[in-house]
Amino acid sequence: GAVVSQHPSRVICKSGTSVKIECRSLDFQATTMFWYRQFPKQSLMLMATSNEGSKATYEQGVEKDKFLINHASLTLSTLTVASAHPEDSSFYICSAGQGVGSSYNSPLHFGNGTRLTVT
Amino acid sequence: AQTVTQSQPEMSVQEAETVTLSCTYDTSESDYYLFWYKQPPSRQMILVIRQEAYKQQNATENRFSVNFQKAAKSFSLKISDSQLGDAAMYFCAYRERGLFQKLVFGQGTRLTINP
Repeated sequence: GAVVSQHPSRVICKSGTSVKIECRSLDFQATTMFWYRQFPKQSLMLMATSNEGSKATYEQGVEKDKFLINHASLTLSTLTVASAHPEDSSFYICSAGQGVGSSYNSPLHFGNGTRLTVT
Repeated sequence: AQTVTQSQPEMSVQEAETVTLSCTYDTSESDYYLFWYKQPPSRQMILVIRQEAYKQQNATENRFSVNFQKAAKSFSLKISDSQLGDAAMYFCAYRERGLFQKLVFGQGTRLTINP
C-alpha cells in the first residue's frame, strides 16, 4: 500500500529557532499534500494545501510567514516552522493522495506525525 | 464551507458488543466522499471505511459498516463484535470535490472497549 514517510517523528527545540519537517510519498507521486496540526485530544486542523511547483494555499488564520511550505517535487513537501515559540508546540501530520490531481474518492495516506516541543 | 460534526466526545462498549458512532455533516454538494479514520495511541491515522455519496448501498468492511443517510446528511459507523484493539479516537471526515479536494474532519469520538 501507499506509504507516506514523515521525519522527524519528534523534535525539541529552543524558542526562536526554526524547525523543518519533511513529508515524502515513498511509492507514489503526490501532486498535492496536506499539512494538519493536532492539539492534544482534539481533531486535525488543516493548515495548508501544498502543491508541487506552486505556492501553498493556507487556511484562514494560519500565518504563512510562520509556517513555510515548500513542495519541491512530486514526492516531497516540507513544513518549516520559522522562529518557533512555545505556542507552536503541537503534533503536525502530513498527508497525500495518490496520482496527479488525485481523485477525491481516493483516501489520503498519512505520515506518522511529528511532535514538536518548543522550550 | 463544509463542516463535520461528531456529537459524542466519548463512547464505551463491552468487548464483543456493538457500538455506533454518530456523524453529521453540512454541504451543498451532491457528490462527495465520506470517510471514517481511526487514530490509536500511536497517533497513526488509519482508514477504516469510506462511502461514495452517489451510492445508496452502505459500505461495509468486515466488522465495520456505515449507515449513510444522504438526505439527513448523516454518516454513522457501526462496529460489531468490538475488540480491545478497536479502542482509539475515531474521526469522521468529508472530502470535497474541487481543485484541492481537502479532507475536513469532525471533532472525534474516543472509543473505549471494556473487557
